[in-house]
Formats: sequence, C-alpha cells, structure tokens
Amino acid sequence: GENVEQHPSTLSVQEGDSAVIKCTYSDSASNYFPWYKQELGKGPQLIIDIRSNVGEKKDQRIAVTLNKTAKHFSLHITETQPEDSAVYFCAASRGNTGNQFYFGTGTSLTVIP
Amino acid sequence: GAVVSQHPSWVICKSGTSVKIECRSLDFQATTMFWYRQFPKQSLMLMATSNEGSKATYEQGVEKDKFLINHASLTLSTLTVTSAHPEDSSFYICSATIIAGERENEQFFGPGTRLTVL
Repeated sequence: GENVEQHPSTLSVQEGDSAVIKCTYSDSASNYFPWYKQELGKGPQLIIDIRSNVGEKKDQRIAVTLNKTAKHFSLHITETQPEDSAVYFCAASRGNTGNQFYFGTGTSLTVIP
Repeated sequence: GAVVSQHPSWVICKSGTSVKIECRSLDFQATTMFWYRQFPKQSLMLMATSNEGSKATYEQGVEKDKFLINHASLTLSTLTVTSAHPEDSSFYICSATIIAGERENEQFFGPGTRLTVL
C-alpha cells in the first residue's frame, strides 16, 4: 500500500518569511496530491492540490511542486502571516472517485509575529 | 460549493451509551463517504469507507459491530458508536467525494465531531 512521509513535524518561521513542507510517497500509481490546513478543533480544509500531469501549481502565496520521478511533493507558503499558523497535512491518492487518501503525519506551522 | 456538515459538533455521553454522528453533503451528491478518527496531535486515521446503499468497508483493526455505519442516501451517512467507552473519546471527521465533474478526485471534509465519553 501507499506510504506517505511528511517533514518537518514542526516548523516555526518569522512573519513574512517562507515555509516549506515536504512529503514523499511510495506508490507510483498515486496521481493526486492534495494539501490540507487544519485549525484546532476543526476539520481539514483543502488549500491546494496537484495532479501528476503537472509539476507545479500556484495560488497566490501558496504553491505546490511535484517530482514524480523522485516521488516527492512540497508545499511552499510565501510571505507567511500569523493566520497561516495551523497543522498542514499532505495526502496521496490514486485519484479515482472513492479512492482512499493516504495522509502524512502533519506539520505544525507557527508563524511568529 | 461542496460543503459537508456534521452533527453534532460535540457530544458528551456516559460510558455504555450509543452515540450517532451524522455527515451530510449539503450541495452535492456524494458517491462515497469516509469516516476518520483523529487523536490529539496525530494524523487522520481512516476507519471506514461507505458507499450509498451498500455495506461499509472497514479498515483493519476497526470493529464494525462497534462503529456502525449507515449510508442511506447520496447525501447522508451516519456513524454510530455503540456502547461507548472512554477510549472511544476522539475527534471524528467525515469526508465525501463528489459523483462526477472536475472535482471528482477531491475529498470534502466535515468540521468534525468531538466525542467525550465519561
């Protein structure tokens, strides 16, 4: 089955700096890679996703890169703000409707004002 | 669009009682709904996958007689924790996938239900 590893487990950055979170996966058949932000006591919210037919996707301050050969993908947050503080999870899936998501272990991001 | 709700948002119950949690897709029809459990500072642990009108598929180690899942319609799935005990206290989250369209790969998550068993 799929195995998703996520690093680092905790990350502290100064406001305005960039934050990078990395994930690796093992199943070469995985082709859909979402990133979720989870605030305390709430459900995960999708912030960006990427499919295996592209290498990079950007949405304002958030970007995701994918290296299919190396089986890793990364989340990049630029110009971080205190409200970016949360736990971030990566996931990998084979992409068909109803297919299971395999989640990383999460990264607790703290943005220091 | 693609909003998933859960009810209740939190519940406290006595040991031995049963608790039902509802998961609804509010503005779309969901082919599949997933139930997760999350312990503090940990990742989401998939408990079961349910499809409308069929029996749920449980992950290894999840007791199907303890965690009853009913997926009666394309917009509603319920999780019943039977004879709850303190070790069942956790954050339960559901998600749903859309039937078709450009967002069919995505899982849309509910806000979660905090269960505390005394």
